[in-house]
Order: sequence, then C-alpha cells, then structure tokens
Amino acid sequence: ETGVTQTPRHLVMGMTNKKSLKCEQHLGHNAMYWYKQSAKKPLELMFVYSLEERVENNSVPSRFSPECPNSSHLFLHLHTLQPEDSALYLCASSQDVSPHNEQFFGPGTRLTVL
Amino acid sequence: AQSVAQPEDQVNVAEGNPLTVKCTYSVSGNPYLFWYVQYPNRGLQFLLKYITGDNLVKGSYGFEAEFNKSQTSFHLKKPSALVSDSALYFCAVRDGIGTGGFKTIFGAGTRLFVKA
Repeated sequence: ETGVTQTPRHLVMGMTNKKSLKCEQHLGHNAMYWYKQSAKKPLELMFVYSLEERVENNSVPSRFSPECPNSSHLFLHLHTLQPEDSALYLCASSQDVSPHNEQFFGPGTRLTVL
Repeated sequence: AQSVAQPEDQVNVAEGNPLTVKCTYSVSGNPYLFWYVQYPNRGLQFLLKYITGDNLVKGSYGFEAEFNKSQTSFHLKKPSALVSDSALYFCAVRDGIGTGGFKTIFGAGTRLFVKA
C-alpha cells in the first residue's frame, strides 16, 4: 500500500457518458498529479495540483476536467470521451512540487471507452 | 529540454545473476533522477533517487543505481536477481533548475524478466 487510493479500479463507459475518477491520499502531501499510461508509450503527465491550485495543465483536451477540493482528494471528470482515451489513469502525490520529491502512485483506474 | 532514454525494451536475466537496467538522461541543469517499478495491475512504486552527493544510491529490495555525470547515465543494478523482481521499470528525471516546470519526465520503461 502506497497511501494513495483510486476508485473505481475499472471503468467501462460509452462516448456519451459522464463519469468521474476519484483519488485520495493519506500521506499529508501537498501536491497531487494525474497521469495517463497507454500501452507502449511513456507516462503522460496530465495535471498537477499544489495546495489545491492547478499549476500544470499539459495540453489536455477539455473533455478531461480535474478538480481538487482539498489537498487529500483529486477528481478527474470525464465527458464525451473517445476510444483513444482508453488507458490506465494513475493518480500520484508528493510532499510538494519540489523536484527532489519522489511521487507515490495509486493503483490506477483502467478505463475503457466504447 | 528534458528527456530520458531507456534503450532496452526488455532485459532477461537468470535468477541469482546480476542485473542492470540502463537509463540515460538529458537536462539543462542539475538532474534529479528516480527509478520506479510497476508490477502487474499496480501503480508505480518508488525504488530510489539521486539528488546530490554519493554517486552510488541504494534503494528498496536490494536495488542500487549509479549516477555518472560524464555519461549522463543512471543505471539500475542488483547483485543477485530474484524471480519476484520481474516487473516494468521506469527511469525518471526532473530538472533541478526548474526549466521543465513541474513535470517529471519518465522513460518508456524496461520490462525485466528473471527466469528461475
């Protein structure tokens, strides 16, 4: 256990659905991240939050909408997704956004878009 | 610009033999280097990091890595491989002077197979 939990673990949705991914960290960290992991591609950073403020938005399509209500919780709201959005979505946290801090990852949500 | 290269998609090693997983990097300033491991159906798990100081860094599960500034490398090593070490390994870099913003750059990953 890394102290970072994600729900649901698996999600199948149609292109017209709206769903949300949830991440919670129990480590007292101040930074949280969303990554997309696709087969045979490097990890893609999507969003970075520091003390509940979004500090990095890595050219992610607007059909992905993050929300960070407090430093322990992070959501990724999904709507009108495309089949190419099918991937493993990983949440991570770190003490803060300083470059020397390692990240702690959740187990991921395996998303399939039909 | 920051970048990380893991030149091998896959490394095969027999149990009990030493293993090496290669990583080279490119950053503008001082590098902060990390190794993570991913087991099936799990997220990434931190193994070790180099920030400054001793070039040989020791981490979890008997792994170690050597920072080589002249070769811009940070290879992961273990003296004696276990079957349970079979997993996907990622090298990652952050630029210490912040030119990359808040982004950690991950390599494409190297799959390690340890045969009994």
